[in-house]
Amino acid sequence: NAGVMQNPRHLVRRRGQEARLRCSPMKGHSHVYWYRQLPEEGLKFMVYLQKENIIDESGMPKERFSAEFPKEGPSILRIQQVVRGDSAAYFCASSPGDRGNTIYFGEGSWLTVV
Amino acid sequence: QKEVEQNSGPLSVPEGAIASLNCTYSDRGSQSFFWYRQYSGKSPELIMSIYSNGDKEDGRFTAQLNKASQYVSLLIRDSQPSDSATYLCAVTKAAGNKLTFGGGTRVLVKP
Repeated sequence: NAGVMQNPRHLVRRRGQEARLRCSPMKGHSHVYWYRQLPEEGLKFMVYLQKENIIDESGMPKERFSAEFPKEGPSILRIQQVVRGDSAAYFCASSPGDRGNTIYFGEGSWLTVV
Repeated sequence: QKEVEQNSGPLSVPEGAIASLNCTYSDRGSQSFFWYRQYSGKSPELIMSIYSNGDKEDGRFTAQLNKASQYVSLLIRDSQPSDSATYLCAVTKAAGNKLTFGGGTRVLVKP
């Protein structure tokens, strides 16, 4: 896990507020992935990004959720108008993107919607 | 049919015994296979990766891959209480693609 930095580690938001989760990949990694883990459930893929490009967003909810990975700075997962069902652990992972390379996870951001 | 399937467990194993975990996948195009360990409230931690048929050993862990039968397994030898965790099987179709996870198998190692 060392090297993939996520913040905040814990975030509490009231229903209707916005949540922004940030992820800095490991040094040398240009590919970022976001996963969500609901309580007592498995990891679900949300989105896969490279710098300035969304490669695969097939797991993103159609509304309220967006992600970016700008040329400079961390990747950001944004959840607008949060609802209680958004309460989950959000994990960011990164990889170099080359064939056979492994994906490493950050420590996660725990979102609680009250 | 789920893309990656695992028995949810719990798999109860006496200390010192071998824990055997299985995982099946549906996409024959899958190329890379991984086992992650996740402690409660923590992030997934990579244990093993395997890319070709056969066995791969790393310390007390052995991963086995059989692409013809579309399964991958993990053996944990000399199980310790610290091995108690959820073990996640994950597959990718190609490098740089997303990991697809199974639901995980919870392992309990009893002293």
